[in-house]
Amino acid sequence: NAGVTQTPKFQVLKTGQSMTLQCAQDMNHEYMSWYRQDPGMGLRLIHYSVGAGITDQGEVPNGYNVSRSTTEDFPLRLLSAAPSQTSVYFCASSSLAGGGPDTQYFGPGTRLTVL
Amino acid sequence: AQSVSQHNHHVILSEAASLELGCNYSYGGTVNLFWYVQYPGQHLQLLLKYFSGDPLVKGIKGFEAEFIKSKFSFNLRKPSVQWSDTAEYFCAVRGGNAGNMLTFGGGTRLMVKP
Repeated sequence: NAGVTQTPKFQVLKTGQSMTLQCAQDMNHEYMSWYRQDPGMGLRLIHYSVGAGITDQGEVPNGYNVSRSTTEDFPLRLLSAAPSQTSVYFCASSSLAGGGPDTQYFGPGTRLTVL
Repeated sequence: AQSVSQHNHHVILSEAASLELGCNYSYGGTVNLFWYVQYPGQHLQLLLKYFSGDPLVKGIKGFEAEFIKSKFSFNLRKPSVQWSDTAEYFCAVRGGNAGNMLTFGGGTRLMVKP
């Protein structure tokens, strides 16, 4: 199993550009999520999904869109990049247990810089 | 709003010292609690978790954590740290009215001096 894969590993954008961060998992997990990691702020949830066709907003959804057309894929779209979106982005997946997300399996991260 | 607090942002210890990292959360009701670790250059991975049952949970690499409901805490402990424990540690909580949202604390960066 590859686990959770993310592409690209690094990306530099100019303000106003759009792009999509890709995330895929091969563990048949229902739950997938996107986090951003900023120094001293831990991981903040951007969007999450509990299954194909179902997405919801996390703590910091503004400026980002997601879709979940298949169980495996959960891309994150930056609509118009801003310097405040410079961060490291992690995708994670898990099964659902006790009515919520169980152990998260994280991807390797995408380091995004917006100039 | 729900929140998770890790009060120690940076901890420096010598090898063989004991470790306790604090984690407090702000909401009541049923909670699921996690500790994750991020070693330098590696993915975040699970150290341990609590869903129900014995509030003293043992995880990998000699780590344990105790859920104290009355204190809204889930502190991470290790009796004797090693240089290889140098990493960033994150507490995460799902519970209350959070639905399927998992909230992470700000992280604690641990450095163990050989």
